Amino acid sequence: DVKVTQSSRYLVKRTGEKVFLECVQDMDHENMFWYRQDPGLGLRLIYFSYDVKMKEKGDIPEGYSVSREKKERFSLILESASTNQTSMYLCASGGDELNSPLHFGNGTRLTVT
Amino acid sequence: KNQVEQSPQSLIILEGKNCTLQCNYTVSPFSNLRWYKQDTGRGPVSLTIMTFSENTKSNGRYTATLDADTKQSSLHITASQLSDSASYICVVSGLYNNNDMRFGAGTRLTVKP
Repeated sequence: DVKVTQSSRYLVKRTGEKVFLECVQDMDHENMFWYRQDPGLGLRLIYFSYDVKMKEKGDIPEGYSVSREKKERFSLILESASTNQTSMYLCASGGDELNSPLHFGNGTRLTVT
Repeated sequence: KNQVEQSPQSLIILEGKNCTLQCNYTVSPFSNLRWYKQDTGRGPVSLTIMTFSENTKSNGRYTATLDADTKQSSLHITASQLSDSASYICVVSGLYNNNDMRFGAGTRLTVKP
């Protein structure tokens, strides 16, 4: 079974702090994704990466950056956390082939106070 | 306006009953439509994937249908169980970019004993 592991289930950070969310997958997937999930909205893509050191902006990249130094690890960075970044963050990997599904981690609930 | 609309937003049914969840989309052209199940506190898990040429796909008690002409899909759950309580998310991928996925906001299903 594919495993996508997010390092933290819950995080509480202060406004202005730099925040790192880590994600590791064990299926040698090329593609990895970071989404945020807010009530009443569909998952929104922040960034995705299709190879090591490669990244592309998604729909809502402002205030975020990413890092993919190794194939299995994809990090989301909030340079200076703000209260409107309080959300559930979901990492996913997969979709490398047409019609193949994404595999999601269990999410990190981030609260910025 | 979201390109993938789901209805109802929430639904409560009694254990053993059937239910149908709806997904309308405007993504065009599209390559595939997926239904995911998201248990509380977990990441989404793929239930079914249908390409534009498929009309129906089953996975146990879950049956998804697709009408590409009307741009509608439904997920029918038969003989519901308490463990079916979850959010169900419809996801449509664009034809030219498999990574361009549009997520519905989900339907929250509660199955009561």
